[in-house]
Amino acid sequence: DTGVSQDPRHKITKRGQNVTFRCDPISEHNRLYWYRQTLGQGPEFLTYFQNEAQLEKSRLLSDRFSAERPKGSFSTLEIQRTEQGDSAMYLCASSSPDRGYYEQYFGPGTRLTVT
Amino acid sequence: GQQVMQIPQYQHVQEGEDFTTYCNSSTTLSNIQWYKQRPGGHPVFLIQLVKSGEVKKQKRLTFQFGEAKKNSSLHITATQTTDVGTYFCAGPGSQGNLIFGKGTKLSVKP
Repeated sequence: DTGVSQDPRHKITKRGQNVTFRCDPISEHNRLYWYRQTLGQGPEFLTYFQNEAQLEKSRLLSDRFSAERPKGSFSTLEIQRTEQGDSAMYLCASSSPDRGYYEQYFGPGTRLTVT
Repeated sequence: GQQVMQIPQYQHVQEGEDFTTYCNSSTTLSNIQWYKQRPGGHPVFLIQLVKSGEVKKQKRLTFQFGEAKKNSSLHITATQTTDVGTYFCAGPGSQGNLIFGKGTKLSVKP
């Protein structure tokens, strides 16, 4: 399967713990996006990378959130000192200029539950 | 800030009936995208519209972009149970991202 993959698919953690998620985009895609989706809502933008450079961050991304894409391939999203309000589906997407950056391919997501 | 609104939030139809969802933006859009998310799944890209007044068809799905490029619609003719899911429109944000509407959840009764 050459689509976008995310790991883990599910994460249950206690409030105050740190969690890290991984995303592997489609290999030839140079842009990688992180979104958060809660029940009944559309995906909300968190941040994106072009190659290894983090170009934009949403105001939703508090200082407890950090993302990296060290070699322009996979990316990690870390949440420190998790709160119950962080419970959501975290989606990763990738895109390339060939098909237009807004044609984004999403991974299956990591569902985070903070207890 | 920029907003993308969709109506209705939910739509229940009998199989074979038509379905339409509408998308409105608070600002003029350079383009608009439509995505479908099946229950328990992730968003899947359907189409992009770029030109004012553009109409595109994919089998039973018809997508329209308004003349003012502030609204769009998705119409499904003769729905099937495979059409079940949430349909999102998404416009480009100022940060190179996509801004998604809240979606229209379609259920189809066989």
